[in-house]
Amino acid sequence: NAGVMQNPRHLVRRRGQEARLRCSPMKGHSHVYWYRQLPEEGLKFMVYLQKENIIDESGMPKERFSAEFPKEGPSILRIQQVVRGDSAAYFCASSPTTGANTEAFFGQGTRLTVV
Amino acid sequence: QQQVKQSPQSLIVQKGGISIINCAYENTAFDYFPWYQQFPGKGPALLIAIRPDVSEKKEGRFTISFNKSAKQFSLHIMDSQPGDSATYFCAASGSGAGSYQLTFGKGTKLSVIP
Repeated sequence: NAGVMQNPRHLVRRRGQEARLRCSPMKGHSHVYWYRQLPEEGLKFMVYLQKENIIDESGMPKERFSAEFPKEGPSILRIQQVVRGDSAAYFCASSPTTGANTEAFFGQGTRLTVV
Repeated sequence: QQQVKQSPQSLIVQKGGISIINCAYENTAFDYFPWYQQFPGKGPALLIAIRPDVSEKKEGRFTISFNKSAKQFSLHIMDSQPGDSATYFCAASGSGAGSYQLTFGKGTKLSVIP
């Protein structure tokens, strides 16, 4: 049973370009969460999605960032017009259910570098 | 506002020693406290977790101690090994709306030297 798969592992973008980060949850998991980790910082919650629905995007910047989890295919975190401050590691996690004490399994992350 | 404060930022321990990492939280609605281990280039992996109805939980060499009145919890790694060298994050979540949302500490980089 493969774990949470994220790709690409590393992504370099020039300022102003778009970044697309993909996440395939573990088999049987329908709940996906995106977190951002800045250097020397802990992970910060960005968004929680279920299939075709955004449940909670309270941690997402209001502009340039969007996320989706279509009926078919991986979840996508999209960053438009990237800036240097977007450079970070972006982690996706998935869980089979949600609620108190549900364990979320993390992928290996996508390390975005904006040059 | 940082809701989970973690210390120390880095820790060097001799092989066989005890590693202790501390966390304090502010939100009294938190009732689930996991610890994650992260190796370089990898994602965080759940190590051990505790709920506030117990004061201690032990799994192998890893123990969580929990002090509800002080709103503090700590990770103890007994007989620390070089393979334990990693970054450790404490986290917390609540049981109500938003229970899926983990709030992380800033992490502790542990180095276990032979």
